[in-house]
Amino acid sequence: DARVTQTPRHKVTEMGQEVTMRCQPILGHNTVFWYRQTMMQGLELLAYFRNRAPLDDSGMPKDRFSAEMPDATLATLKIQPSEPRDSAVYFCASGLVLAGGLYNEQFFGPGTRLTVL
Amino acid sequence: GDSVTQTEGPVTLPERAALTLNCTYQSSYSTFLFWYVQYLNKEPELLLKSSENQETDSRGFQASPIKSDSSFHLEKPSVQLSDSAVYYCALRDRGGATNKLIFGTGTLLAVQP
Repeated sequence: DARVTQTPRHKVTEMGQEVTMRCQPILGHNTVFWYRQTMMQGLELLAYFRNRAPLDDSGMPKDRFSAEMPDATLATLKIQPSEPRDSAVYFCASGLVLAGGLYNEQFFGPGTRLTVL
Repeated sequence: GDSVTQTEGPVTLPERAALTLNCTYQSSYSTFLFWYVQYLNKEPELLLKSSENQETDSRGFQASPIKSDSSFHLEKPSVQLSDSAVYYCALRDRGGATNKLIFGTGTLLAVQP
């Protein structure tokens, strides 16, 4: 049963510290998405990749957030320095874009619950 | 740009009541529409997906895209306690040739005994 995996599942840190969240997309998927979810803002798209190339990171605060895909099996989201307002659940999702642009759903990972004190 | 608008929540229903959650969308392209469900402390998961003119059915839920009024309402004839969750309507962005999804704000459904 293929699933998106994320680590860590929970992270508590102090303001100013660096936070790194990791995601392993489903094997064979060629698109990866990072979302942030808060009570106030709902689901926000932060960044997404296709074939490891970043396509859009306009939803991400550039001064402190960065997203990368060092290889096809790993996506990372870093926050440096972290702030209390970054407290949220961060979801990674992966999907497959087929030739001809046929649709396919996104599969979400279990999320990383981040608390910045 | 493309957008999705959903019923404002929370929606509270007694068990076995009929459910309709509204979703309307704006898109310049052929549309692929989705309903995702998110249970408490879980990730969003796909409930239904549909392309134009195809009704879909999953776990007793149904949704049929109506192009004339750009809608994709979610229906269920009889809800159960276990249906309590947040429901997201989403539109696939075809413009960028990715499967980027544009999500609505979500509707919280609370089913009461």
